[in-house]
Order: sequence, then C-alpha cells, then structure tokens
Amino acid sequence: GDSVTQMEGPVTLSEEACLTINCTYTATGYPSLFWYVQYPGEGLQLLLKATKADDKGSNKGFEATYRKETTSFHLEKGSVQVSDSAVYFCALSGASGGYNKLIFGAGTRLAVHP
Amino acid sequence: DAGVTQSPTHLIKTRGQQVTLRCSPKSGHDTVSWYQQALGQGPQFIFQYYEEEERQRGNFPDRFSGHQFPNYSSELNVNALLLGDSALYLCASSRLDRNTGELFFGEGSRLTVL
Repeated sequence: GDSVTQMEGPVTLSEEACLTINCTYTATGYPSLFWYVQYPGEGLQLLLKATKADDKGSNKGFEATYRKETTSFHLEKGSVQVSDSAVYFCALSGASGGYNKLIFGAGTRLAVHP
Repeated sequence: DAGVTQSPTHLIKTRGQQVTLRCSPKSGHDTVSWYQQALGQGPQFIFQYYEEEERQRGNFPDRFSGHQFPNYSSELNVNALLLGDSALYLCASSRLDRNTGELFFGEGSRLTVL
C-alpha cells in the first residue's frame, strides 16, 4: 500500500544552521505531496505542498521539490530559527485513497537552540 | 473565522468503556475526517464523512464509528475501549469540491485509557 518514510528525529540544530529532513514515498498513481507542521500546543497545519513531479513547494523559507525519479520530497531551509522548533510530517494524498485522505510519515521533531 | 474545534481536549476512560469525541469543522467546509495519532507516530486515517455518510474508511475495527450532522459537525465514537486506543484524536475538515488534499486540523482530543 501507499506509505511515507521520513528520517527519525529528533534533529537538534543551532540557530541559522541549514536544515534537511528526508522524506521518501511509495504510492500508486500520481500523488500530491505535503509537509505539515505541528507547533507545540497547536494543531497540524499545512506548511507547503507540490502536486506534480518537479514542482517546488515553498513557504516561510522552507522548500521541497517533488522528485518522481527518486520518489522523494525532502524539506529544506537555509537558516533555521528558534521559532521553527516543531514536529514536521511528510504526507501524501491522491494515490489510491483519494485527494482528501492523507497518509503521513511518523514525523521528525526539530529543536533549534539559540 | 473559527477554525476546527474539538471537544473535549483531554479525557480519561477505563478499559471497556465507550467514548464520544466531537468536532466542528471550519466555516464553509463540508467534509470531516478523523485521524488517530499515537504517541511518537504520525496521524492515521480512521474515516471520512460527507453529506452525513461515511465515504472512506481506514484500517480500524468496527468499534470505531462516526456520525456527521446536517450542520457538518461530526462525532467519533469508540466502544469497548482498549489500552491501545490511548492516543490523540484529530479532526480535519475540508471542502469536497476543492480536492487539493489540504486539510485543516483541530488541536485534538487526547484520550487516555487506563
């Protein structure tokens, strides 16, 4: 079945360091890919998305490129801030389950220190 | 504009009991999905409701049931609770005619089964 695998955390970085969180997927068809973020005490919220191969999603300095050849959607940021500390989830939809059903990875916790 | 609201935020039950969780979707949304997020894991899809009917269901037993009301709000019911049902239960809403995969999540109801 469809699945998402992302790197285990926690990831601990100093402020202004570069971030990469790896995400790979297995899916039939042509899924859309997402990064959701869960800040402490808040609900999951969409960070960015890409709907077809080679699309780049970007938001708040984060970006990720839909790579069909490597079935990957890695999240990157050039300079992280303390406020980026959160749990990040890679997800897909639109494969075998319809577009409004998301399949999530296990999440990667990011801690950024001053 | 109120987002997705869930109640209660926390609750404790004992094995064998039954629980009902409630969700009000974001204004303008007609589709409600429920997810279970175990500690340290990503959310897992339970089911989705539209027009008061269950449209899709994940790999959860019949002990998990739901309902959607004419005002689009929804309930999740779990019968014969097991220790393994302890988790954060997330409600997410969307518009079926905007089949983009972007869901809006509530902050969740944390269920502890003793």
